[in-house]
Amino acid sequence: NAGVTQTPKFQVLKTGQSMTLQCAQDMNHNSMYWYRQDPGMGLRLIYYSASEGTTDKGEVPNGYNVSRLNKREFSLRLESAAPSQTSVYFCASSMTSGSVNEQFFGPGTRLTVL
Amino acid sequence: AQRVTQPEKLLSVFKGAPVELKCNYSYSGSPELFWYVQYSRQRLQLLLRHISRESIKGFTADLNKGETSFHLKKPFAQEEDSAMYYCALSGMDSSYKLIFGSGTRLLVRP
Repeated sequence: NAGVTQTPKFQVLKTGQSMTLQCAQDMNHNSMYWYRQDPGMGLRLIYYSASEGTTDKGEVPNGYNVSRLNKREFSLRLESAAPSQTSVYFCASSMTSGSVNEQFFGPGTRLTVL
Repeated sequence: AQRVTQPEKLLSVFKGAPVELKCNYSYSGSPELFWYVQYSRQRLQLLLRHISRESIKGFTADLNKGETSFHLKKPFAQEEDSAMYYCALSGMDSSYKLIFGSGTRLLVRP
């Protein structure tokens, strides 16, 4: 099992450009999450999908959109990138059934917006 | 408001010394608390959770509801413990989303 995979690993954008970050998991997990990691601020939740067909805003959703394409895939889109969106983006997934609530993380995408 | 506070950005200790990484939380209810760890060039991964009440890699953490704390402790630090440690909280709603603290970098010197 590959676990949680993310593409691309690195990306440089110019202000105003758009891009989509891809995430996929092969663990049959119900829930998926997008976080951004900034120095001194830890991980902040951007959007999440508690189950296939649903998405909800997290702590910092402005400037982003998401799509839960199917149970495996959850993409994050930046419509018009801004320098403030320079960050490392992590996708995660979890089973969310019973008492199990461990989130499994992808390797991250390092995004720089010039 | 739900919040997780890790007051130390950096904690530097010598090998063999005791370690305590502090975590305080704010939540109206009974949350689930976790410690996640990110070693250099590796993915963020779960270290331990309070409901398991187990010791992982020599680390333990006790949930103190009175002080709303979940400090991570290890009696004798090892160089391989050097990493970024995040305390996280999950509410008991159906989303299972996590709220992370800002993280503490642990540096264990030889």
